[in-house]
Amino acid sequence: QQQVKQSPQSLIVQKGGIPIINCAYENTAFDYFPWYQQFPGKGPALLIAIRPDVSEKKEGRFTISFNKSAKQFSLHIMDSQPGDSATYFCAASFAGGTSYGKLTFGQGTILTVHP
Amino acid sequence: DAGVIQSPRHEVTEMGQEVTLRCKPISGHDYLFWYRQTMMRGLELLIYFNNNVPIDDSGMPEDRFSAKMPNASFSTLKIQPSEPRDSAVYFCASSPTHDNEQFFGPGTRLTVL
Repeated sequence: QQQVKQSPQSLIVQKGGIPIINCAYENTAFDYFPWYQQFPGKGPALLIAIRPDVSEKKEGRFTISFNKSAKQFSLHIMDSQPGDSATYFCAASFAGGTSYGKLTFGQGTILTVHP
Repeated sequence: DAGVIQSPRHEVTEMGQEVTLRCKPISGHDYLFWYRQTMMRGLELLIYFNNNVPIDDSGMPEDRFSAKMPNASFSTLKIQPSEPRDSAVYFCASSPTHDNEQFFGPGTRLTVL
């Protein structure tokens, strides 16, 4: 019940394309869903996050879509750039309670944006 | 702020040796997390602390692994004895109370020969 399943494992798009990365979770008690971005040789860094009381959140070119009934959420990158090439991780956790702060990560998606 | 600091950045050791990884969290952060990243298993949470107290160590793979946080500004992850399958990148992360965002360090790349 703690799993977060992420797809695809890798994704290649041309500059300006709109890559979409999908995640599905099992535990309905999760109430915080972040996306992290990781460049080679660096630690992951928070990109954008959403809570289940909204269905969509935008920050710049990055959008999270959230479907609570389907237990799925996705990351869309508008007008993708070569600098967006990185590994993207979805995650889920509890916003409070005894397991506060414990993130369960998806397996990651390696995104390559060609010029 | 310098961010989360980890040392060493790279460690190469031989099987059976003791390995100690170090982490300095961001000042004022109450939570500290240790992760392991491999191609096969992705990012795995090993253990995390709140106010220097271990909260959940269910991800620690076996008794060869131990972690301590003697004070708010320092934590160690120790592997004794090390094995080749422990080769991975180990990340430390910290976060403040009432904010889910975790700030990751640059990681320690461990190679056990």
